[in-house]
Amino acid sequence: GQQLNQSPQSMFIQEGEDVSMNCTSSSIFNTWLWYKQDPGEGPVLLIALYKAGELTSNGRLTAQFGITRKDSFLNISASIPSDVGIYFCAGQNYGGSQGNLIFGKGTKLSVKP
Amino acid sequence: IAGITQAPTSQILAAGRRMTLRCTQDMRHNAMYWYRQDLGLGLRLIHYSNTAGTTGKGEVPDGYSVSRANTDDFPLTLASAVPSQTSVYFCASSGGHPANTGELFFGEGSRLTVL
Repeated sequence: GQQLNQSPQSMFIQEGEDVSMNCTSSSIFNTWLWYKQDPGEGPVLLIALYKAGELTSNGRLTAQFGITRKDSFLNISASIPSDVGIYFCAGQNYGGSQGNLIFGKGTKLSVKP
Repeated sequence: IAGITQAPTSQILAAGRRMTLRCTQDMRHNAMYWYRQDLGLGLRLIHYSNTAGTTGKGEVPDGYSVSRANTDDFPLTLASAVPSQTSVYFCASSGGHPANTGELFFGEGSRLTVL
């Protein structure tokens, strides 16, 4: 089945640093999404991308839908302590019975004040 | 506050016991999902429902069953719990057409420990 390779698995950074993480797949997707999970809570949608090449920002977050439709990246600028959590990428193809939403295994971000 | 409510928040269960995790949403979303989250494995889909009255199997359905009698409720049942079902379970919903947009709203999770 389809799989997403998300990297890095974990990151330890200093407050104020920029962060970059990415997801790749051997299959193409019609939609790429990025979710964040705070400790002890459910994931929350950060950014959704619907078009190859699309670059979208949400505050300090920027995500791009790769032109090949097989990858996506998420950047966080000037990290702050509340950025701590697990970030998941997800890819989706239309037409499947459940939308065929596939999640990456997550990137755990730790921020040192 | 609109959203998804899961119950219980946490539960310790003896192996072999039956357990139902409850999930209710008040957003009138068509699609609902159950995921389990395990360290190093991310989120894996157990069962889903595109609309009331229909259900389908996800990636890891064995040992679990679901029902969707109405739009709001989507309970997950473990008929005879086993230790490998120790996990954190998340219910989610999506408001789109059955093809859905992938924009999921998640509950707070139910932490289940099977001894």
